Amino acid sequence: EAGVAQSPRYKIIEKRQSVAFWCNPISGHATLYWYQQILGQGPKLLIQFQNNGVVDDSQLPKDRFSAERLKGVDSTLKIQPAKLEDSAVYLCASSIDSHYGYTFGSGTRLTVV
Amino acid sequence: GQSLEQPSEVTAVEGAIVQINCTYQTSGFYGLSWYQQHDGGAPTFLSYNALDGLEETGRFSSFLSRSDSYGYLLLQELQMKDSASYFCAVKGGGADGLTFGKGTHLIIQP
Repeated sequence: EAGVAQSPRYKIIEKRQSVAFWCNPISGHATLYWYQQILGQGPKLLIQFQNNGVVDDSQLPKDRFSAERLKGVDSTLKIQPAKLEDSAVYLCASSIDSHYGYTFGSGTRLTVV
Repeated sequence: GQSLEQPSEVTAVEGAIVQINCTYQTSGFYGLSWYQQHDGGAPTFLSYNALDGLEETGRFSSFLSRSDSYGYLLLQELQMKDSASYFCAVKGGGADGLTFGKGTHLIIQP
């Protein structure tokens, strides 16, 4: 089966600019997650979708981050405006449901300068 | 909330056995998972323990003791390709998604 697709692979932006990341999960996976992984740390959950509804966004900095999953398939994560501390790898993952192992995409490495 | 503790770095010799420990604090525990991540790569799912005991998958085994809030990942017959970071992760505390530890960087020496 095809894996979780993410784009772009790399992105460099200046602080205060905006950026968007795209994720297409494995077909049939109802649950989609966005994680932020800062260098040397474990992934941190930003938001979880079940189909096209938000299950958990308690750790999403909502003043600058937004995410959507239209039609319950692919998803977009946006940062506006970006800060230096947003430099990280943004990982998308999907699973059949939340009780199964996750399949992660290769991530988008964001550098804010 | 949840917290997980695991060693930051472990060094082992090719062909040997290594154990990576993980202790956790969480309410409403639903299971302990392990993921492997090579430098620049995506985390990949290794194992999941919901009940006490040992789960074996090839060269990798994972153990859980819920009474001790403790688990470990055991890697046997170490190969150079096992050099990676290993993360334990829990689901619980009212959150549906996984909370990851900071990871253990495993260094394999020839």
